[in-house]
Amino acid sequence: EVKLEESGGGLVQPGGSMKLSCVASGFTFSNYWMNWVRQSPEKGLEWVAEIRLKSNNYATHYAESVKGRFTISRDDSKSSVYLQMNNLRAEDTGIYYCTRKGDYGNYLAYWGQGTLVTVSA
Amino acid sequence: DIQMTQSPASLSASVGETVTITCRASENIYSYLAWYQQKQGKSPQLLVYNAKTLAEGVPSRFSGSGSGTQFSLKINSLQPEDFGSYYCQHHYGTPYTFGGGTKLEIK
Repeated sequence: EVKLEESGGGLVQPGGSMKLSCVASGFTFSNYWMNWVRQSPEKGLEWVAEIRLKSNNYATHYAESVKGRFTISRDDSKSSVYLQMNNLRAEDTGIYYCTRKGDYGNYLAYWGQGTLVTVSA
Repeated sequence: DIQMTQSPASLSASVGETVTITCRASENIYSYLAWYQQKQGKSPQLLVYNAKTLAEGVPSRFSGSGSGTQFSLKINSLQPEDFGSYYCQHHYGTPYTFGGGTKLEIK
């Protein structure tokens, strides 16, 4: 059974930093692109970042809204993906989901339960 | 970026009815379209990918269709467990974008 478990969310002040973690199980982690997606009442579902495989030199892609502030990374030895978030803004508030791409395309086949990030003074 | 426009934003229907949700892409995305279901307080779950392929375990009353810029999700004979929110998303390439969602409620 595929499982994705996020951690690291909480309350942070504007301008602050936070690192989210996601531990995966139930599949060969090193074979799959991983993504972070966030959700807020104001913006709905928003794709945040993607990291590809070692064979792709761990290529990363970001939404324009987080480029330069967020960094996605992975540790295949720990079956984990991370999202380092710096210079956080109120509009970054939301539930952050760790997701795994599918076997037949870049759709998001599996989602974690999410971790809530609140950016507020 | 590709914009995804989903309609209707909300829909009220009764158990046993058939409903259709539509999604339009701002440019050609071929068949790179997915649909997700989200129930209150839960994370989204994949229903359909590549426009018409049902994800594992999804009941056959769900069906996806379309290509290019026009897509739809049809639910035949609505069941109580089908009520919730539905989202389309293109997976043609980054940035992946989602539709605004359709909230399906019990009439």
